[in-house]
Amino acid sequence: AQTVTQSQPEMSVQEAETVTLSCTYDTSESDYYLFWYKQPPSRQMILVIRQEAYKQQNATENRFSVNFQKAAKSFSLKISDSQLGDAAMYFCAYRRGQGAQKLVFGQGTRLTINP
Amino acid sequence: GAVVSQHPSWVICKSGTSVKIECRSLDFQATTMFWYRQFPKQSLMLMATSNEGSKATYEQGVEKDKFLINHASLTLSTLTVTSAHPEDSSFYICSAVGGGPSYNEQFFGPGTRLTVL
Repeated sequence: AQTVTQSQPEMSVQEAETVTLSCTYDTSESDYYLFWYKQPPSRQMILVIRQEAYKQQNATENRFSVNFQKAAKSFSLKISDSQLGDAAMYFCAYRRGQGAQKLVFGQGTRLTINP
Repeated sequence: GAVVSQHPSWVICKSGTSVKIECRSLDFQATTMFWYRQFPKQSLMLMATSNEGSKATYEQGVEKDKFLINHASLTLSTLTVTSAHPEDSSFYICSAVGGGPSYNEQFFGPGTRLTVL
């Protein structure tokens, strides 16, 4: 079974600084997707960024980028120029292959932004 | 686009009663919907996968007779918590898969907070 591990229950960063959230996963599949989701206090899940396993290039979305190390099964999220609105729970998630497959979530990291 | 709604957003019920939660894809057709449960300060745990026109697939440890799922149309799935007890109090989240160019992305509803007294 696939597992996703986030070893940092809480992280904090000064506003405008950069922070990196860690995620490791375990799978025997070769075709899969990795995601970072943000869950603010409203509890609405928001997709931050996705990475296809077959792509070597790391995904980026504005201030958000990932460091995808396939051999090490590591998928970290870097948030640059942190803003107060970035404060939330962040979940790393794994989905196998194609089609409507279920997501497997990590335990989550609570990110606090200090003004 | 790709909006998913849930109704109600919160509900309080007495122990022993049944509660129905609706999940709707508002602007796309969803052949597959997922139901998750989230306890305070914890992650999302998948309860079941709901496919339109067929029986839901439940995760190990989830009581199918307690958590009834019906996916009657391409835009609506319902979760009914039968004979609810205080331990069923939780935050329930649904997601819908739209297919197309969205990499089979899951679009999440805003969640339903259930409190059983």
